[in-house]
Amino acid sequence: DTEVTQTPKHLVMGMTNKKSLKCEQHMGHRAMYWYKQKAKKPPELMFVYSYEKLSINESVPSRFSPECPNSSLLNLHLHALQPEDSALYLCASSQVIRYEQYFGPGTRLTVT
Amino acid sequence: QKEVEQNSGPLSVPEGAIASLNCTYSDRGSQSFFWYRQYSGKSPELIMFIYSNGDKEDGRFTAQLNKASQYVSLLIRDSQPSDSATYLCAVNKGAGNQFYFGTGTSLTVIP
Repeated sequence: DTEVTQTPKHLVMGMTNKKSLKCEQHMGHRAMYWYKQKAKKPPELMFVYSYEKLSINESVPSRFSPECPNSSLLNLHLHALQPEDSALYLCASSQVIRYEQYFGPGTRLTVT
Repeated sequence: QKEVEQNSGPLSVPEGAIASLNCTYSDRGSQSFFWYRQYSGKSPELIMFIYSNGDKEDGRFTAQLNKASQYVSLLIRDSQPSDSATYLCAVNKGAGNQFYFGTGTSLTVIP
């Protein structure tokens, strides 16, 4: 089973709201990732967790705050977002960092 | 110079033909190479991964890696209209575990 789940599927939020995106995998993977994808562009890496520790933070604004409560869960906390943050947010996981990544279905975020 | 480069296309092939997609990368230290298929509005789906020089076949798909020339390719045999999608090449650089996507190649298979 190579399933990564993400909730919610769609999210509309105002610029003053606080919301969270959730990601879960039960494949025993020890690396998890957050990506942002704009229309007709490739995914952009935001954060990488390896063995539940933040391994890579690609200079993402502080209004995005990741959290890895355990090896199966990954959250992305959102606060004071801008309209330009509207995008498809993808979660992925891999056995360890070097290996193939499996993506969840994504959360379509709209900031109004 | 971009880390991973792909011809954006669009690439059109008739049904039943072989589609050939190419990707070059800049860092000789890159260790892992991946092909993803992405339908419009959907998330990327892993098609192939390859770690060693040479060819790797899986059904209608063949990935080819040439580290000396720093390119990786994907061949799709007996192309079907359902193969119409954007194909993303991705590379893991190893050192620092940086993971980079190319900009993708749009493939259309014409019935």
